[in-house]
Amino acid sequence: GAVVSQHPSWVICKSGTSVKIECRSLDFQATTMFWYRQFPKQSLMLMATSNEGSKATYEQGVEKDKFLINHASLTLSTLTVTSAHPEDSSFYICSAREGANTGDEQFFGPGTRLTVL
Amino acid sequence: QKEVEQDPGPLSVPEGAIVSLNCTYSNSAFQYFMWYRQYSRKGPELLMYTYSSGNKEDGRFTAQVDKSSKYISLFIRDSQPSDSATYLCAMRVSSASKIIFGSGTRLSIRP
Repeated sequence: GAVVSQHPSWVICKSGTSVKIECRSLDFQATTMFWYRQFPKQSLMLMATSNEGSKATYEQGVEKDKFLINHASLTLSTLTVTSAHPEDSSFYICSAREGANTGDEQFFGPGTRLTVL
Repeated sequence: QKEVEQDPGPLSVPEGAIVSLNCTYSNSAFQYFMWYRQYSRKGPELLMYTYSSGNKEDGRFTAQVDKSSKYISLFIRDSQPSDSATYLCAMRVSSASKIIFGSGTRLSIRP
């Protein structure tokens, strides 16, 4: 099956610094990538949807200037958490979809655990 | 009210038992229904994918959708310790890409 990787798998940073998380589709070209956030014992919440070569679409309540998303190629999307604060500590998961149809399956990455001190 | 409600558990059953996991939802426009399995500190893995109402079986797993009751179920037969994980129900409207997830049910299979 399709494989999506994330790097790093975990990161600890100081408050006020920026952190970049990479999401790669390893064996397919992802026209669309999604970024989710999951707090402990809670559901995955969609943060933003990004299509290759265009600006990301952010969900209501998600600050686009704080969570910068770049989808520069069909196999790579990055999420940068700028000026991170302890409340940004969470599990960040990306997913990727190969086709343009909404019915195509999304494949999820293994997630990145961010801890902001 | 959340769009998708799921009992968080934890649910603990002995090995070999039949497990029943359920979700209810409020948006009658949902057409696609999924079940994901998520191991600790890992991303979700798609288990079952169903369109509209009905049953779907895949090995030891059976998914049921009752749109009239806005209720979906996942049954696991002959449960194994390796089935211990968090199970997330998810659904979406046919014309949209956004997936709405339940909060997940933590399942533990006792050897």
